[in-house]
Amino acid sequence: NAGVTQTPKFRILKIGQSMTLQCTQDMNHNYMYWYRQDPGMGLKLIYYSVGAGITDKGEVPNGYNVSRSTTEDFPLRLELAAPSQTSVYFCASSYTGPQRGTEAFFGQGTRLTVV
Amino acid sequence: KNQVEQSPQSLIILEGKNCTLQCNYTVSPFSNLRWYKQDTGRGPVSLTIMTFSENTKSNGRYTATLDADTKQSSLHITASQLSDSASYICVVVRTDSWGKFQFGAGTQVVVTP
Repeated sequence: NAGVTQTPKFRILKIGQSMTLQCTQDMNHNYMYWYRQDPGMGLKLIYYSVGAGITDKGEVPNGYNVSRSTTEDFPLRLELAAPSQTSVYFCASSYTGPQRGTEAFFGQGTRLTVV
Repeated sequence: KNQVEQSPQSLIILEGKNCTLQCNYTVSPFSNLRWYKQDTGRGPVSLTIMTFSENTKSNGRYTATLDADTKQSSLHITASQLSDSASYICVVVRTDSWGKFQFGAGTQVVVTP
């Protein structure tokens, strides 16, 4: 079982460059999430999606964009990378919303450095 | 102010010993509380999920407790092993949460031989 797969695992970007972090899940989950994790801090929600074609902002959406054209894929786009976006990014998925007590599964993370 | 506070920030324990991690939260209205284990360089992995009516839940050598009245939870690790070295993250979910987990900063546990 692949679960939640993120690519790439590591990336170094120059200031002003753009990139897309890929996330795919094979569990037919409706909910998908993007988080960033900074040292010593809890994970912060960037964007989430409750199904194909539906996305919404989280706590820290500025500088990011998402799309959800299929159930499986939830790419995160960084436009005009800034040093403040240096972080570890995690994609997660769950069958229903977290308030229903369902399991959430996380990918392995993408470590991004902006220089 | 973070609505989920964990203590201690870090601890070192000898292999075979027990330890207890604490989580205090102010998140309301409460739906459920989760404990995750995050190994270095990996994504978080679920240990337990507890709803309002559950006081204790175990997963192998991990036992979580919940006191919804005082808004406190603990994670007890019994007979620690080297593989228990990781960050343990407390996560609280609101009943009106459509996608939002409230994460604590985690407790870093190091188990030494």
